[in-house]
Amino acid sequence: SQQGEEDPQALSIQEGENATMNCSYKTSINNLQWYRQNSGRGLVHLILIRSNEREKHSGRLRVTLDTSKKSSSLLITASRAADTASYFCATSNSGYALNFGKGTSLLVTP
Amino acid sequence: KAGVTQTPRYLIKTRGQQVTLSCSPISGHRSVSWYQQTPGQGLQFLFEYFSETQRNKGNFPGRFSGRQFSNSRSEMNVSTLELGDSALYLCASSLGLGTYGYTFGSGTRLTVV
Repeated sequence: SQQGEEDPQALSIQEGENATMNCSYKTSINNLQWYRQNSGRGLVHLILIRSNEREKHSGRLRVTLDTSKKSSSLLITASRAADTASYFCATSNSGYALNFGKGTSLLVTP
Repeated sequence: KAGVTQTPRYLIKTRGQQVTLSCSPISGHRSVSWYQQTPGQGLQFLFEYFSETQRNKGNFPGRFSGRQFSNSRSEMNVSTLELGDSALYLCASSLGLGTYGYTFGSGTRLTVV
């Protein structure tokens, strides 16, 4: 069953703009991870944030985690057409297995 | 280094048949997990193996099974295929259980007719 839920379901922006996606989850977690998927292919791991961390950066990506609100956000700055993909958050709790949300579909137009 | 390799990439099977999918993890990764992805249900966890032992199992019927070999390679088997088993099956490997990111393969696209 899905633990995470991304918002919005779909997002369309122009190149150069920032894209923000949100993820809410229901139970306590060990960590939260974000993945990207292009056109039904394999997922690419973007970033992992642990439950005791509040913010993490990786290149143009910034992830925040608020465990009190059970929510996370992924910010992609200065978006490019190549960022067009589906983005998933996945939570890991004491059961170890990743629980994925249904994803946000991002379209970046030139 | 080589990524996660899944074979075959595409598969068409008939209802009632069985199928075996293979996954070779990244060298040194001892954790292998499997996911089913469909448009309706999204990404659903099937099972996870670590050092040849199944550590977790998702909410799938017993027709879905898997195993991991001593070289960390993994296989999953689906018996008595149903139309609803048509999906993209993804394998992922990791250094450990739950505390590292996962590297996914490109998946096996299974179509049941």
